[in-house]
Amino acid sequence: EAQVTQNPRYLITVTGKKLTVTCSQNMNHEYMSWYRQDPGLGLRQIYYSMNVEVTDKGDVPEGYKVSRKEKRNFPLILESPSPNQTSLYFCASKSGDLYEQYFGPGTRLTVT
Amino acid sequence: GENVEQHPSTLSVQEGDSAVIKCTYSDSASNYFPWYKQELGKGPQLIIDIRSNVGEKKDQRIAVTLNKTAKHFSLHITETQPEDSAVYFCAASMVNFGNEKLTFGTGTRLTIIP
Repeated sequence: EAQVTQNPRYLITVTGKKLTVTCSQNMNHEYMSWYRQDPGLGLRQIYYSMNVEVTDKGDVPEGYKVSRKEKRNFPLILESPSPNQTSLYFCASKSGDLYEQYFGPGTRLTVT
Repeated sequence: GENVEQHPSTLSVQEGDSAVIKCTYSDSASNYFPWYKQELGKGPQLIIDIRSNVGEKKDQRIAVTLNKTAKHFSLHITETQPEDSAVYFCAASMVNFGNEKLTFGTGTRLTIIP
């Protein structure tokens, strides 16, 4: 089954404790992206990657890092999480020559 | 940058009636307009999309219309059913095979009343 997977689905952590949210897709998509979803704000792009070793900032990149060492994986790294990063996070992917983007199931992160 | 506004934020309709959700966008360079349905605890699911060279697209009970001149697009759901209850998001993007960031509206919570 073609899908985007994320782990963990739920995470509660404390301020300053480094964490990584993994994203993997099995569709051989070139383009991958991270969004955060906050009430009343819709989804906002954090980082994106057009292909392996090619990443760039989206609209709200502060406090986040990403890497793209393999085509299928695009982890989101929070080096020192803060409470304002409490949010619902979604990974998305698309084929380089098509329009449609597909989203993962989401990771709900709480930083206390 | 692009800005997408979506209305209404909540919508309740009787089962069997039609529902319409409207969005406006600001960047005339946007050329791709998808609609996503998000159910509780799940990620956004693409339900229909339209490109800027098309004025209307239909898929069974769902249709989307685009008015490029006015910079607005709408989702129409006919013969609504209880399983249509969800949050719906519109989005706009300039697909140039670079950063195809989706700029989302703030969502519409649709409730179908049995």
